[in-house]
Amino acid sequence: EAGVTQSPTHLIKTRGQQATLRCSPISGHTSVYWYQQALGLGLQFLLWYDEGEERNRGNFPPRFSGRQFPNYSSELNVNALELEDSALYLCASSSPGRNEQYFGPGTRLTVT
Amino acid sequence: GENVEQHPSTLSVQEGDSAVIKCTYSDSASNYFPWYKQELGKRPQLIIDIRSNVGEKKDQRIAVTLNKTAKHFSLHITETQPEDSAVYFCAASNERGYQKVTFGTGTKLQVIP
Repeated sequence: EAGVTQSPTHLIKTRGQQATLRCSPISGHTSVYWYQQALGLGLQFLLWYDEGEERNRGNFPPRFSGRQFPNYSSELNVNALELEDSALYLCASSSPGRNEQYFGPGTRLTVT
Repeated sequence: GENVEQHPSTLSVQEGDSAVIKCTYSDSASNYFPWYKQELGKRPQLIIDIRSNVGEKKDQRIAVTLNKTAKHFSLHITETQPEDSAVYFCAASNERGYQKVTFGTGTKLQVIP
């Protein structure tokens, strides 16, 4: 069984640009979660999508947004990038009704 | 909302000794408590979890205990090995409804050979 995949592996953007990160969940999983992990720090919850709907949102500004597609893959968009957005962005997925989350390898976003 | 506190932030043990990491949570409605291990440069991996209907769960050298009354849970690693060196995160959530999983701040475990 394939695990959670994310693309791209690395992304370099300049301040003010937009970034788009992608995630494909494990087959059969309907929920996708996005987390931000700044260097050496913990996991900050960003967004939770399930069955195409946004179900929960962390304490991040509106320029962090996303969506979930009918095949349950998801996209995270970060607009008006700021230097402090530089971090590892992790996606996780879970099966219906369960909170056991399985993480992807992450996308390393660098904002210069 | 839920608040999860994790201690210690760093822990060094000699190979073969035991390691214990403790977490407390604030929301009495939380009923699912996973533990994740994140090795340097890798993704967090679920290593063990416990639900509120049990008090203890073991898987080889790792075990988790849950005290619902005191709202705390702990990870125990026995006979530690160098490959146990990693950052460990606890988390808490309510599996009823769309309550997010709240993570602790992490414990960096170093096992000294």
